Amino acid sequence: KAGVTQTPRYLIKTRGQQVTLSCSPISGHRSVSWYQQTPGQGLQFLFEYFSETQRNKGNFPGRFSGRQFSNSRSEMNVSTLELGDSALYLCASSSSTSGGLTGELFFGEGSRLTVL
Amino acid sequence: AQSVTQLGSHVSVSEGALVLLRCNYSSSVPPYLFWYVQYPNQGLQLLLKYTSAATLVKGINGFEAEFKKSETSFHLTKPSAHMSDAAEYFCAVSDRRGATNKLIFGTGTLLAVQP
Repeated sequence: KAGVTQTPRYLIKTRGQQVTLSCSPISGHRSVSWYQQTPGQGLQFLFEYFSETQRNKGNFPGRFSGRQFSNSRSEMNVSTLELGDSALYLCASSSSTSGGLTGELFFGEGSRLTVL
Repeated sequence: AQSVTQLGSHVSVSEGALVLLRCNYSSSVPPYLFWYVQYPNQGLQLLLKYTSAATLVKGINGFEAEFKKSETSFHLTKPSAHMSDAAEYFCAVSDRRGATNKLIFGTGTLLAVQP
């Protein structure tokens, strides 16, 4: 069974640009979550999608957005990039039903974004 | 609000020695607790989880953790460290209420294993 796939793995952008990151969850998983990892702030929750609906959102500005498609694949977008957006963005999928946490998130290897 | 505190951002042990990584949690309701491991340039992998069944939880690679409600702790241990255990370890807590997979992570402990 293939794991969580994130693309691209590495990318470099300049301030003011926008970026779109993609995540393909494990087959059959309907829940997708996104986390930002930085040396200063650690791992911070961005948002979670289940069956194309955002059901939880972290404390990030509106420049950060996401969506989930009918095949459970998810994308996140960051507009008007700032230097502080440089981070490893991790996607995780879960076999969670509508009832909530099953107890395990399966993480991808992440997309490392550098903003110059 | 829920939170976890990991004591010690860096821990160094000798190969074959006991590994003890500390995690304390704060939660107003009985939590779900997790330990994840991250190797360089990789995502996170679940080591073990506590979901209110047995208080002593066994995970992969010989790790285990004990949930102690009276101490609000969930420390991770391994009797004998191996070089391959060198990685960063994260403790996490989840709110059992509501339909969410949101995890709150600690700041991580970087484990070094000396030969």
